[in-house]
Order: sequence, then structure tokens, then C-alpha cells
Amino acid sequence: GAVVSQHPSWVICKSGTSVKIECRSLDFQATTMFWYRQFPKQSLMLMATSNEGSKATYEQGVEKDKFLINHASLTLSTLTVTSAHPEDSSFYICSARGLGGRGTEAFFGQGTRLTVV
Amino acid sequence: AQSVTQLGSHVSVSEGALVLLRCNYSSSVPPYLFWYVQYPNQGLQLLLKYTTGATLVKGINGFEAEFKKSETSFHLTKPSAHMSDAAEYFCAVSEAQAGTALIFGKGTTLSVSS
Repeated sequence: GAVVSQHPSWVICKSGTSVKIECRSLDFQATTMFWYRQFPKQSLMLMATSNEGSKATYEQGVEKDKFLINHASLTLSTLTVTSAHPEDSSFYICSARGLGGRGTEAFFGQGTRLTVV
Repeated sequence: AQSVTQLGSHVSVSEGALVLLRCNYSSSVPPYLFWYVQYPNQGLQLLLKYTTGATLVKGINGFEAEFKKSETSFHLTKPSAHMSDAAEYFCAVSEAQAGTALIFGKGTTLSVSS
């Protein structure tokens, strides 16, 4: 299957700082990328959908000014958690869908464990 | 809107026993359906998917699932459980249209005892 690389795999930051998470599709063009958040022992909650070159579409209840999403190229999307607070600590997972055969499923990154102290 | 319901947040089986994880979906358009497995602190691994065609789908590690439109179900089965199957399993649905997100169920934790 296609490869989606997410970096970093874990990060610890101080409260009030910002953290950037990168999501790269390594062997296909990801026309659409998705960001999910997962709390311990819970499911993946969709945060936002981004199409290359367009503004992201955020799900209800997700603060767009806090979770900045950029999808500047067909292989890279970034999620920046601004002014992070302990309640933002979570597991963040990106996924990507392409076109044609690469569009029949979503390919997932390995996730980023964010801990805000 | 699409949604997924996974019946049973926790399923326990003995090694060698049949595994059955239940998933029902709701979709106003023909769905794509997926089963993923997640091990602690890791991303998701695709077990199998249904897009079109044959309704019985075979996946990796001996898992299979059957799409039943009349029952809006996509249950996951494996004839004989292994200890290594213990993990979190997620059923997901999406539209066929490219660019649509997968919507996940709440997940089922599978425990396998020896």
C-alpha cells in the first residue's frame, strides 16, 4: 500500500508553546488529507479535511485558530497546535487519499503523541 | 451523514476460537467500508476493505468480512484467534467519492486468552 509518513512520532512541549506536526505522502499525490484526534481508549475523531491549495474544512467544535492546517503541496500537510495547553495532549493521526486507485481508501500516518506539560 | 456502530466495546475469546466483531453502518449513498487494527501507541493498519463487487472480502492475517446491504452490516470474522490478534479494531465508512473522510466507529477491544 501507499506510505504516509508522520513526524514527529512523539513530542513533549511546554504549555503556551506551539507544535507543528508534519504528514507526508511518500509515493502518491495526496489530493486530500485528513487530521484526526484520538483520546485514550477512544475512537478517531475527525478534526479537519484539507485539499491541496485550499483552506481546511474544520469539523464542528474544532477551533481553527488553535489547530492550524496547511496543505501547500500534494505531498505535505501540517497541523500546528498553537498555544498548546495540557488539554490538547492527545494522539493525532493524519491520513491521505489520492485519486484513482489511491482514492479507494485512506492511508494513515503512524500518529503523533503530543504531551503538553 | 454517515455513521458506524460497533456493537460490543470489548470482546474476549480463547485462543483458537472464532472471532466475530460486529459493525453496522448508516449511509445515504453506496458506502466504502473498512476494518482497521490498532496496536497501542501506533497508527492504523488496514485489515480489509469493501468498495464494490464481491461482498465477501478477505483481508490480512486470516480476517474476512461480509458486506450485507440488507442488514447494513460489515461484520469482521476470523475462524481461529491467535494471541497476536489482541488489539483495538475499528470499523469505518466513507463515501466512494474521492476526498471524503473515513468516519470511524468507537472501536472494539479484542482480548485473547490462552
